[in-house]
Amino acid sequence: DSGVTQTPKHLITATGQRVTLRCSPRSGDLSVYWYQQSLDQGLQFLIQYYNGEERAKGNILERFSAQQFPDLHSELNLSSLELGDSALYFCASSDRDRGDGYTFGSGTRLTVV
Amino acid sequence: KNEVEQSPQNLTAQEGEFITINCSYSVGISALHWLQQHPGGGIVSLFMLSSGKKKHGRLIATINIQEKHSSLHITASHPRDSAVYICAAPLFQGGGADGLTFGKGTHLIIQP
Repeated sequence: DSGVTQTPKHLITATGQRVTLRCSPRSGDLSVYWYQQSLDQGLQFLIQYYNGEERAKGNILERFSAQQFPDLHSELNLSSLELGDSALYFCASSDRDRGDGYTFGSGTRLTVV
Repeated sequence: KNEVEQSPQNLTAQEGEFITINCSYSVGISALHWLQQHPGGGIVSLFMLSSGKKKHGRLIATINIQEKHSSLHITASHPRDSAVYICAAPLFQGGGADGLTFGKGTHLIIQP
């Protein structure tokens, strides 16, 4: 157990639907990151939250949004799903003061059919 | 934006061989990351390094900041080392934004 918990592990849904992926960071980590891994694009940074505030945005589609709650868990919302959104979605957390890099969750495998 | 290149993309070796995976990046960075991903998905952070060399068991990571180049070495390789190894660098320059940009990964297979 890495300390970062992602749920669900697998998700199958239809095109046009909306899903929510959840991430609980390692205890004490204030930063949460979302990454997408697809066969054609590889790993891509989506968005970072730090202590509840959006800190950085990457290649995140407008149909996707995220938030970080006061208890530091984060949710990634994916809407109007398309076949191309099928991918592994990873959450990671870090603590700059600890200086030991990132801890990744085990990922959520999303399949859009 | 930082660009990260890794080589080789695929590497097959015999058990016991010394393995080297290379990574180069385009923009000066505060730290470089090496990650490991086994089939089935999970990503494990192996190293974060900003200078010199780090060692953990049979894994060694080195970085040359001036040349913007890093290497990951595996000594006495074993079939359980078979995985995808990914190099990653900061996407942003400071300001507390810490997203990573990734190389395409090196798919390593160690045959018994």
